[in-house]
Amino acid sequence: DTAVSQTPKYLVTQMGNDKSIKCEQNLGHDTMYWYKQDSKKFLKIMFSYNNKELIINETVPNRFSPKSPDKAHLNLHINSLELGDSAVYFCASSQGNRGDGYTFGSGTRLTVV
Amino acid sequence: AQSVTQPDIHITVSEGASLELRCNYSYGATPYLFWYVQSPGQGLQLLLKYFSGDTLVQGIKGFEAEFKRSQSSFNLRKPSVHWSDAAEYFCAVGLYNQGGKLIFGQGTELSVKP
Repeated sequence: DTAVSQTPKYLVTQMGNDKSIKCEQNLGHDTMYWYKQDSKKFLKIMFSYNNKELIINETVPNRFSPKSPDKAHLNLHINSLELGDSAVYFCASSQGNRGDGYTFGSGTRLTVV
Repeated sequence: AQSVTQPDIHITVSEGASLELRCNYSYGATPYLFWYVQSPGQGLQLLLKYFSGDTLVQGIKGFEAEFKRSQSSFNLRKPSVHWSDAAEYFCAVGLYNQGGKLIFGQGTELSVKP
């Protein structure tokens, strides 16, 4: 199936740990994103990559490091996890720069204890 | 700064009743506007979008939205709500030439009474 898939779906970890979330799209899109949805369901962009190049970095702490090995993959690595990092993280992809044609993954619920 | 406001945090309607979800935006240029729906535990699904042209746009699942430039609004409507429409609804504005970035509103949670 064509889709944006992200793993894992759930992630429970202790403060101070390092964790990664993986994302892959097989839609042939040239742009990929990470969005964070907080406990109040507010969605905010964190990063976007276009053809492996970082385009948007929205004042995210440098404990968060995205990596795009190719245009079909965008991973998110988080160092020294904090309680405030608990959220749902969505990967998405699109073609072009109008915000059009987004396809979202189903999300990764990160809980830091 | 660009922003999107959804004034209603939670709305409850009876099944079969009409629905209108409000969205106001602040953006200096002509906006690209979107409505997304999120079911529990799921990602976001695009309902409809407006780029230009006819200000009344039709979407999936019987939804429509009207762009009103004078009011900076893009309200979502449905003439008859079904129980399966219960979900979280997000209005968003796309920023031209900013890497495809979307600015989302706070969301409106829709509950449907039988």
